[in-house]
Amino acid sequence: KNQVEQSPQSLIILEGKNCTLQCNYTVSPFSNLRWYKQDTGRGPVSLTIMTFSENTKSNGRYTATLDADTKQSSLHITASQLSDSASYICVVSEGGNKLVFGAGTILRVKS
Amino acid sequence: NAGVMQNPRHLVRRRGQEARLRCSPMKGHSHVYWYRQLPEEGLKFMVYLQKENIIDESGMPKERFSAEFPKEGPSILRIQQVVRGDSAAYFCASSPLSGTGTDTQYFGPGTRLTVL
Repeated sequence: KNQVEQSPQSLIILEGKNCTLQCNYTVSPFSNLRWYKQDTGRGPVSLTIMTFSENTKSNGRYTATLDADTKQSSLHITASQLSDSASYICVVSEGGNKLVFGAGTILRVKS
Repeated sequence: NAGVMQNPRHLVRRRGQEARLRCSPMKGHSHVYWYRQLPEEGLKFMVYLQKENIIDESGMPKERFSAEFPKEGPSILRIQQVVRGDSAAYFCASSPLSGTGTDTQYFGPGTRLTVL
């Protein structure tokens, strides 16, 4: 069964600190991996998309990495802000029309 | 350019009633996807539609659920004879192309269905 596992389930950090969220997947075949941010009560918003050949991609303070050999990805958030509090979702595309979603990591940034 | 619109945002139905969820894709987008999110779980794919066509409905329950995307008007997800297990957030996404490459899917705010 194709799965996307994320860790930790939840995380609390102080404003200004960095953090790294992890994603392991078993989806095959693999087309691309996406990270989404979902604020409470809203739909997910795309942060990054990486294909098989890309190892890293940045979007402002967000940097995603991908190791297609070990089927692992991470999302690093630098200098966190209160507005970063959200659920961060790892999503893998197997090349068809369907996306396989992880359950998300809930991040809470405290002042 | 307005984003993906969904309505209603919240819907309460009693068991056995029908629920109709609407999704208006972003302007210029002809591909629509519906997802369901149960509490504490990730989004699950339900159905993928283009104008007037269902392309992939492999994630949608065979009974009671149906979806359409007419030539004119929004996409509709219809749930007949709702049960308590249908309580969830239903998200719609749209993309300008098929979304099979690195094409981004843009999500709406979701409809939260509560079945009493």
